[in-house]
Amino acid sequence: GAGVSQSPRYKVAKRGQDVALRCDPISGHVSLFWYQQALGQGPEFLTYFQNEAQLDKSGLPSDRFFAERPEGSVSTLKIQRTQQEDSAVYLCASSLRNRGVDQPQHFGDGTRLSIL
Amino acid sequence: AQKITQTQPGMFVQEKEAVTLDCTYDTSDPSYGLFWYKQPSSGEMIFLIYQGSYDQQNATEGRYSLNFQKARKSANLVISASQLGDSAMYFCAMREDMNYGGSQGNLIFGKGTKLSVKP
Repeated sequence: GAGVSQSPRYKVAKRGQDVALRCDPISGHVSLFWYQQALGQGPEFLTYFQNEAQLDKSGLPSDRFFAERPEGSVSTLKIQRTQQEDSAVYLCASSLRNRGVDQPQHFGDGTRLSIL
Repeated sequence: AQKITQTQPGMFVQEKEAVTLDCTYDTSDPSYGLFWYKQPSSGEMIFLIYQGSYDQQNATEGRYSLNFQKARKSANLVISASQLGDSAMYFCAMREDMNYGGSQGNLIFGKGTKLSVKP
C-alpha cells in the first residue's frame, strides 16, 4: 500500500531482551518521527529524522533506545535490555517536507510491544 | 505545563447528532498548526483536520469542522451527524514552528477523548 508500514504489528519479549521495530515511511517523505504511546495516553515524541540525519533524539527515554535511518527511507527503532516500562505502542509517522507547520504527519498502525 | 489539554476523558453522543470535543493549547510561538487525529480501537492514527494559526477561517473537512478561537487558545473539533463508526479516541495535537525555536516539528498530543456513539 501507499501508507506508512510498521512491523511487527505485535511483539512480546522477555525483560532484558533486545527488540527492533521497523518503519517503512511513505515513499518520498523527508521527515520521519517515532512516538511512544502508553496505554490510555496520547503519543509522546521520541526522535526525528530528516532524510538520514537524526536531528532530534531528545524524547528517547534512556540510552537503551536507539534509532537509525541509514539510507533516508526505512527506519529502525531498537530497544536494548528491555524493561517492563518499555511496554507501549510505538508509532512511526512521516511527512512530505521537513518544514511547515501545516504538514500533516501520516502514521503507521504501530507496533504493540509487551515486555514480560 | 500541559501544552495540549483535552478535558473530556469520555463523551457520549446519540447517532446523527453533533458533538464538540474540547481542546485548549499553550504556546508562545506566533506560528503553529493544530491537528485532530482519530484513533479507532485497531490503533491507527487517522488525520482528520488541520488549522493554522494564521488562518482566518475555521477549517472544515466533510463532517468535521474546527472551532478555532485564537484569543482563547482553543481548537474544538465539531463532528456533525455522528455515525457509529465515529466511536474512537480523538487526539488534539499541535506543531510549533521550527523557525521560532520550537521543536523539530514533532506533534505534541493531548491525552485524548474517547467518543462513544450510541445507536
